[in-house]
Amino acid sequence: RKEVEQDPGPFNVPEGATVAFNCTYSNSASQSFFWYRQDCRKEPKLLMSVYSSGNEDGRFTAQLNRASQYISLLIRDSKLSDSATYLCVVNRGANNLFFGTGTRLTVIP
Amino acid sequence: EAGVAQSPRYKIIEKRQSVAFWCNPISGHATLYWYQQILGQGPKLLIQFQNNGVVDDSQLPKDRFSAERLKGVDSTLKIQPAKLEDSAVYLCASSAGLAGVELFFGEGSRLTVL
Repeated sequence: RKEVEQDPGPFNVPEGATVAFNCTYSNSASQSFFWYRQDCRKEPKLLMSVYSSGNEDGRFTAQLNRASQYISLLIRDSKLSDSATYLCVVNRGANNLFFGTGTRLTVIP
Repeated sequence: EAGVAQSPRYKIIEKRQSVAFWCNPISGHATLYWYQQILGQGPKLLIQFQNNGVVDDSQLPKDRFSAERLKGVDSTLKIQPAKLEDSAVYLCASSAGLAGVELFFGEGSRLTVL
């Protein structure tokens, strides 16, 4: 089983739509969790951390379910600028981050 | 504040040749990482340094890859000899510590092996 598995995508959604990405991780001892965003031919950048209580940043909501070892990212009111690859990231400890393969999102006008 | 600097941005070599990539992290960041990102995949950790010591190099193909961070600041990643499957973007990142803090990536060095 892969350490981090993500929805394969790609997701093509119209502007204004709500889209959700899911991610599962295999190591129950994983300590912290993140979503990174990577634009085409650019470097990854932190989008948001993921907390057990769930957290929101504007149109973005992240959820963590430790019992099911499941992480999600919800984007509301999608914008063209949200088009990117979203990487699910797990911290195995000592800031040793393991990246998923990413899910590509294209927002269509 | 200056970001993570990497060079060269692009490199094309033939198989069995050698190549070196350089990275200068954000000033004051003790932790430095080298990731390999093959097209269509997520970044894969090759090596992680804390100051000038290695924290994790379990996924570094040590028969051909080497990395050093001698003075605990900048770092060099070397591949010798290169194989076709080494074609990838080599991303350097740095962070302020080891406790769940943000990684800041450089723009990467794109390697093509012919």
